[in-house]
Amino acid sequence: DGGITQSPKYLFRKEGQNVTLSCEQNLNHDAMYWYRQDPGQGLRLIYYSQIVNDFQKGDIAEGYSVSREKKESFPLTVTSAQKNPTAFYLCASSTPDGYNEQFFGPGTRLTVL
Amino acid sequence: GQQLNQSPQSMFIQEGEDVSMNCTSSSIFNTWLWYKQDPGEGPVLLIALYKAGELTSNGRLTAQFGITRKDSFLNISASIPSDVGIYFCAGQLDTNAGKSTFGDGTTLTVKP
Repeated sequence: DGGITQSPKYLFRKEGQNVTLSCEQNLNHDAMYWYRQDPGQGLRLIYYSQIVNDFQKGDIAEGYSVSREKKESFPLTVTSAQKNPTAFYLCASSTPDGYNEQFFGPGTRLTVL
Repeated sequence: GQQLNQSPQSMFIQEGEDVSMNCTSSSIFNTWLWYKQDPGEGPVLLIALYKAGELTSNGRLTAQFGITRKDSFLNISASIPSDVGIYFCAGQLDTNAGKSTFGDGTTLTVKP
């Protein structure tokens, strides 16, 4: 079955540690995205990538980093510079063919203690 | 940046009732998308709208792209318990940029 996988589902880290969230898709989509969701709020764009080896900052990129070495993978690193990292993180992908219907993964809930 | 105002923030309805929610923006969008999110899961696309004035249905769901391109609404008819969840609208200005602006969501509770 084609889809987007995110792992792990729940992640706990100590304050000051970097942590990397995984996102893999087998939909052959070119574009991938990372969003952050806080309780009672909508999704805010962190980073997005239209093609391999290229990515752009979204609205809240500070304290985060990404890489896009393979079409299927778009890992997100939450660094110690991110002041409030506890949140629900969602990865999405789409085909940039003019109609950007984004398909989402199941999400990773990160809790920083 | 662009912002979407989604209302109402929450709704409590009886099973069988119809539901209406909407999104408004101070600026125009070229595409409107409506998603549903179950607790602890990723959003799932319900309806996509690409032209001003467009009215599209998906089963009991109907959505419209406002003629001014600054608003959209979603209607759910004859609600059932599995309609419970958070409904998000999203707007895109440039369909090739891949950037969506999301509303804050409408939380729907359906009482059997």
